[in-house]
Order: sequence, then C-alpha cells, then structure tokens
Amino acid sequence: EVQLVESGGGLVQPGRSLRLSCAASGFIFDDYAMHWVRQAPGKGLEWVSGISWNSNSIGYADSVKGRFTISRDNAKNSVHLHMNSLRREDTASYYCVKDMGPHTPSSYGMDVWGQGTTVIVSS
Amino acid sequence: DIQMTQSPSSLSASVGDSVTIDCRASQDIITYLSWYQHKPGKAPKLLISGASTLESGVPSRFTGRGSGTDFALTISSLQPEDFATYYCQQSYSTLYTFGQGTKLDIK
Repeated sequence: EVQLVESGGGLVQPGRSLRLSCAASGFIFDDYAMHWVRQAPGKGLEWVSGISWNSNSIGYADSVKGRFTISRDNAKNSVHLHMNSLRREDTASYYCVKDMGPHTPSSYGMDVWGQGTTVIVSS
Repeated sequence: DIQMTQSPSSLSASVGDSVTIDCRASQDIITYLSWYQHKPGKAPKLLISGASTLESGVPSRFTGRGSGTDFALTISSLQPEDFATYYCQQSYSTLYTFGQGTKLDIK
C-alpha cells in the first residue's frame, strides 16, 4: 500500500523552530518528487515547498522562502521540512505529498497525500 | 509567481445537475494544470492532471479541459459524494500555486 505518514507537528512559540518528517512506503521513493502543502484553519490549500527526486530542483512559496528548508533522504525514504522563525500565520495542517513525476516543475499532478500533521504557532 | 484564479468561489447545485468551475492562470502554463477534490477531515484527492487526464478510479462524470491560461472542470450528473471543495493547481513553475478553491454544496 502506498503511504505517507507525517510527524513532528505540535505547539510552538513564535520565532521558534520545528522539523516535520514524512515517511514514505509502498513505492520507489527516489523515482518521485515530493512536496509539502498546508491548509490554515478556514483557508484553502497552499503549496509550501517541493523537491525533485535527486534534490537538484527545490522550490518554496514566497510566504516561507528564507525560513523553511526542504530536504530528502532517499536511503531512508523520507522527506523533511525544517521550519525556522515560525509565525502565527504558519499555523496549519501540513500535508506530505507525492508527485507523479520525478522533477519539479512537472507536467503531472500530486497523487498521494498523507493525513497531515498539525502545527500551531502560539505563545 | 503564477497566480491561479478560480470562479465561482462557491456554488450551490442539486443532485443530478451539471456544474462547471473555471480556473485562470496569470500566464501560459500549457497544460500543467491539475484538479483536486477536498472533503473536510480527509486528504485532498487528485482528480485530473495534465488539464484533461482523468486519474484512475475517478468517475467519468468529471471532465477537465483547457490549455494556456483558461481551464475548466465540469462535473455532470452530480452525485451526493461530489459535494466538496475543488482546487486547481499549476505545476508549470518551480513555485506551484493553487487556486483559492470552489466550495460546492447542496442546494
């Protein structure tokens, strides 16, 4: 079964850091690009960051650029999101998402989603 | 950044109706456009990629069309399970973007 399981969410104070992780299983992990997508309470989906299969292509939303860093470990079938200088507006459910292709940008969509991990930024 | 604009933001319809959701990109994205269905408490589901390619297992009542900057998702003969929020998303640039969503509810 193809599966993505996120971890690392929680309550954090503004200005602090948090690291999200995503464990992938059921598919050849290093054949695909991976992404993080978030949804703030009452808001729509927001793409956060994406990384190609070999980490050569990485992108970030303007709202997180310079604060968040995406990385992947193909040997451990995992992708991570390091979040620094967290702000209240980063409060959201964060989804780990699999691309249908190896590269970003991609002509394909994102076909497998985790169940999400919740990040709450509050003092 | 490529901006994606969906219309309408919300839509009321009845079971059996046909509805169309529009999505416009701020620049040419060829057919690098996907559609997702999102229900509360669940992970979003990919319906269509490449602007018009239906994903495996998605009912044929879902149809995507368009290229360049103008795209549309049509759902014909609405079923009760179709009431959800729908998003378009471009993957043409390294910075992906979603539309703001269209909430489809029962009239």
